[in-house]
Amino acid sequence: KAGVTQTPRYLIKTRGQQVTLSCSPISGHRSVSWYQQTPGQGLQFLFEYFSETQRNKGNFPGRFSGRQFSNSRSEMNVSTLELGDSALYLCASSLPSGNTGELFFGEGSRLTVL
Amino acid sequence: SQQGEEDPQALSIQEGENATMNCSYKTSINNLQWYRQNSGRGLVHLILIRSNEREKHSGRLRVTLDTSKKSSSLLITASRAADTASYFCATGSTGNQFYFGTGTSLTVIP
Repeated sequence: KAGVTQTPRYLIKTRGQQVTLSCSPISGHRSVSWYQQTPGQGLQFLFEYFSETQRNKGNFPGRFSGRQFSNSRSEMNVSTLELGDSALYLCASSLPSGNTGELFFGEGSRLTVL
Repeated sequence: SQQGEEDPQALSIQEGENATMNCSYKTSINNLQWYRQNSGRGLVHLILIRSNEREKHSGRLRVTLDTSKKSSSLLITASRAADTASYFCATGSTGNQFYFGTGTSLTVIP
């Protein structure tokens, strides 16, 4: 069974630009979560999507948004990039809550904002 | 913040020794999980322990949970160089929103 796939793996943007990251979950997984990982703040929850609906949202500004498609693939978008948005963005898929709750992570998209 | 904290932040041991890392959290939980992350890679799930369990084993891993103290520990026995990684605890209460600790960086010296 293929794992969680994130694209692109690496990208460089400049301040003010926007970026879209993509995540394909494991087949059959309907929940997709996004996390931001930085050296200073660690892993922070961004949002979770289930059946194309945002189910949970972390404490991030509105510049961070996401969506989920009918095939469970998910995208997240960051607009008006700031230097502090430089981070490893991790996507994780899982079966709906009520099961094990185990998260399956992709390898991440490393964003550098210059 | 609901984020947990691992202790120690960094740990260096010789191959074959045991490694113990601790996690403290702040809120009531349904379960607690431990993950491993190799440098710059995604996280890999190691073990999950439910709030009504006190101890769980998986291979060389032993996890304990003390909900009265809001703490958990992960023991890796007979460590190997391949165990070198960062280890995170994650707590969840509802849905799939998890709070990760700050991580313990483990170095196993061959």
